[in-house]
Amino acid sequence: GAGVSQSPSNKVTEKGKDVELRCDPISGHTALYWYRQSLGQGLEFLIYFQGNSAPDKSGLPSDRFSAERTGGSVSTLTIQRTQQEDSAVYLCASSLVKGGEYGYTFGSGTRLTVV
Amino acid sequence: SQKIEQNSEALNIQEGKTATLTCNYTNYSPAYLQWYRQDPGRGPVFLLLIRENEKEKRKERLKVTFDTTLKQSLFHITASQPADSATYLCALMVPDYGQNFVFGPGTRLSVLP
Repeated sequence: GAGVSQSPSNKVTEKGKDVELRCDPISGHTALYWYRQSLGQGLEFLIYFQGNSAPDKSGLPSDRFSAERTGGSVSTLTIQRTQQEDSAVYLCASSLVKGGEYGYTFGSGTRLTVV
Repeated sequence: SQKIEQNSEALNIQEGKTATLTCNYTNYSPAYLQWYRQDPGRGPVFLLLIRENEKEKRKERLKVTFDTTLKQSLFHITASQPADSATYLCALMVPDYGQNFVFGPGTRLSVLP
């Protein structure tokens, strides 16, 4: 597609439920990144994919968070047993080359609200 | 770990003036530094990248400088317009410490007509 597509755009879930967030990067972009942005906060790095492998998972806040990428394209971020502190905007970005020398292209994000 | 500060949470300037935003970092010297614009409810949009061996980069009304001695980048918008009102984020990457960019907290710029 022309841009990075994320779905759903908004998700309200009950505490303790599992959620899946989807990212469809720009075709041909080998690198994919997940960040989250809490209200009034900067972007917090979660995980980076190069192709289907995730060489850097250092930002995942707990073992309740996992992500996968298949076919070098679509990625899903899964949060199990959601907590209220998980409420944030989850942003996905892709870049043509590793390291994003030519800039990241971000999606519009998924706003997750845990009630 | 890398710490990034941006000069102020919010900056108000008059239309037509030059806006100058500051990004300061500590500890490590990044190989690349980027600037992004973010509008409410949207993801950040890439504006400019500057490499550690570059002093200055320009794009239309935008200018970025990178001083590795001061550990600082300045972002200028000349002849500012109300449409330039947004949050501006700086981001840097140190390849030895990962392949992701670390983002600053952002500065919210308001250009008043």
